[in-house]
Amino acid sequence: NAGVMQNPRHLVRRRGQEARLRCSPMKGHSHVYWYRQLPEEGLKFMVYLQKENIIDESGMPKERFSAEFPKEGPSILRIQQVVRGDSAAYFCASSHGNKGVSGANVLTFGAGSRLTVL
Amino acid sequence: AQSVAQPEDQVNVAEGNPLTVKCTYSVSGNPYLFWYVQYPNRGLQFLLKYITGDNLVKGSYGFEAEFNKSQTSFHLKKPSALVSDSALYFCAVRDDSNYQLIWGAGTKLIIKP
Repeated sequence: NAGVMQNPRHLVRRRGQEARLRCSPMKGHSHVYWYRQLPEEGLKFMVYLQKENIIDESGMPKERFSAEFPKEGPSILRIQQVVRGDSAAYFCASSHGNKGVSGANVLTFGAGSRLTVL
Repeated sequence: AQSVAQPEDQVNVAEGNPLTVKCTYSVSGNPYLFWYVQYPNRGLQFLLKYITGDNLVKGSYGFEAEFNKSQTSFHLKKPSALVSDSALYFCAVRDDSNYQLIWGAGTKLIIKP
């Protein structure tokens, strides 16, 4: 079981370029979460997706950021026209379900993608 | 509104001594509480969770946590600290009607030999 796979692990972009971060959830998981972590800080929720659906994107900046989780393939977090303030570690997590006792599932995290904007 | 507080940015403990990392929470419904650990340049790893039942929860690597409803706390503990326990620890909470985890800011645990 490969767990949650994120790539690339490290990504360097110049201001104005696009960054694409990929996440393959753990086998059997259909729920994906994206978080951002700035150095020495906690996790900030960005978006929660199920296959082909965005469930909650309340943590996503309104501009330049988008996320998808297609029927086939990994979830992708896309940042257009990156700025220096986008430099951070972006973590993906997956789980089985959501609400209720049976859905109080543990999140399994990937190792993260570290974006550096020059 | 749901919230989590980890009042200590950093906790320093000598190896072999007991350790406590504090967490308090606020939710409207029944709380589901979690502890995760993050080693440098790594993702978060699950340590333990409280959903229901016994207030004392045992988890990975010898860690345990006690759910205290009256004090709305879920402090992480270990009887004897190891240098390898040095890491960043995150507490998280959700209630039974919501899927979204609310995360604490993290506590850096430093175990000195």
